[in-house]
Amino acid sequence: GAVVSQHPSWVICKSGTSVKIECRSLDFQATTMFWYRQFPKQSLMLMATSNEGSKATYEQGVEKDKFLINHASLTLSTLTVTSAHPEDSSFYICSAPFGAGDYEQYFGPGTRLTVT
Amino acid sequence: AQSVTQLGSHVSVSEGALVLLRCNYSSSVPPYLFWYVQYPNQGLQLLLKYTSAATLVKGINGFEAEFKKSETSFHLTKPSAHMSDAAEYFCAVSVGGYNKLIFGAGTRLAVHP
Repeated sequence: GAVVSQHPSWVICKSGTSVKIECRSLDFQATTMFWYRQFPKQSLMLMATSNEGSKATYEQGVEKDKFLINHASLTLSTLTVTSAHPEDSSFYICSAPFGAGDYEQYFGPGTRLTVT
Repeated sequence: AQSVTQLGSHVSVSEGALVLLRCNYSSSVPPYLFWYVQYPNQGLQLLLKYTSAATLVKGINGFEAEFKKSETSFHLTKPSAHMSDAAEYFCAVSVGGYNKLIFGAGTRLAVHP
């Protein structure tokens, strides 16, 4: 089956610094990937759609200048949290569609970000 | 606009008992519906999906769900709960040309001996 990986699995950074999270499709190509954010004991909220070779599409209310997304290849999308603050601490999960019709999403294991 | 409502944020059952997790959807077009399971500090694993074929969908780990258009429901069931089923379960609907997923709030399933 399709495998999506994320790196790092967890990261601690100081307030004001930037953090990059990678999402890779290991055995398939993904022209589109999705980034979600999950607060403790809450559901996943879609942040943006990452498009290979073009700009990402952000959901309403998500600051595109704060959450920079780059989809430079068919197997890699990156999310950079710029000038991180404690309120950015969260679980970030990516997914990629796979299969006939691309309607099935495969999820990465998530990245736990803690901003101190 | 599409949306998903999961009734019951917490469900507790005894080991061996029936599991029923409720999901209702709202969609202006025929929906694709999914159930995912999430274990602590992990990503999501697909349990099953409905994509306009058979209305009774069988998934992994003994779970199944029935699509009922008249009730706009897609409830998840398992005849006999196992301790390993304890996790968070999310119902989701697929929207848009890029198949974005909109998730329900989730239901935490606890299984006790």
